[in-house]
Amino acid sequence: QLVLTQSPSASASLGASVKLTCTLSNGHSNYAIAWHRQQPGKGPRYLMRINSDGSHLKADGIPDRFSGSSSGSERYLTVSGLQSDDEGDYYCQTWAADIRVFGPGTKVTVL
Amino acid sequence: QVQLVQSGAEVKKPGSSLKVSCKTAGDTFDNYAVTWVRQAPGQGLEWMGVIIPVFGTTNVAQKFQGRLTINADESTYTAYLELSSLTSEDTAVYYCARDSVAKVRGGGWFDPWGQGTLVTVSS
Repeated sequence: QLVLTQSPSASASLGASVKLTCTLSNGHSNYAIAWHRQQPGKGPRYLMRINSDGSHLKADGIPDRFSGSSSGSERYLTVSGLQSDDEGDYYCQTWAADIRVFGPGTKVTVL
Repeated sequence: QVQLVQSGAEVKKPGSSLKVSCKTAGDTFDNYAVTWVRQAPGQGLEWMGVIIPVFGTTNVAQKFQGRLTINADESTYTAYLELSSLTSEDTAVYYCARDSVAKVRGGGWFDPWGQGTLVTVSS
């Protein structure tokens, strides 16, 4: 079964970096994932896609502070130079031919 | 630039049905695929289903099979979500988004998203 796991929360100081992890279930380590951010009171916004080889493609308008990487069944999103409006919920999402799956989300707090 | 605009908020009675529309602007038929996601109050994102007109296919999450219908008017690039037998558990914000499956071989991520439609189910 295709499942994504995320830590429920993460925090870092203003200007620091935070690295979020999304873990694919057994047998799905070659799957690509996408990251979406949802700021408080707003709808989700697509950030980037990350392939199993670590290559990633950001959405238009996403600054260089956001980067992606991969290792085994884990996919990462690193946000550098944290700003106050980086607070929110970050969801990873993956897909197969006839299904789409979200992780439970990580709530990011900027201290 | 592709944009998705959804219909307005609704209040429904338990047992009734819901229909939400999602109009896409700036896309082409070959790239046109719409996915539906919902978010209950204080909860995470839940995928409901996807329609891919260029492939002639619709996939619905197992949880919603039997009471969820997704269709699309290709002439107006408008997709519709219809959910029947509503209960209070269906109170949520419903989002549509362009699914990349039609545009990119092997795709399945969502970009961009619609603004969301708040649906409240209450007697």
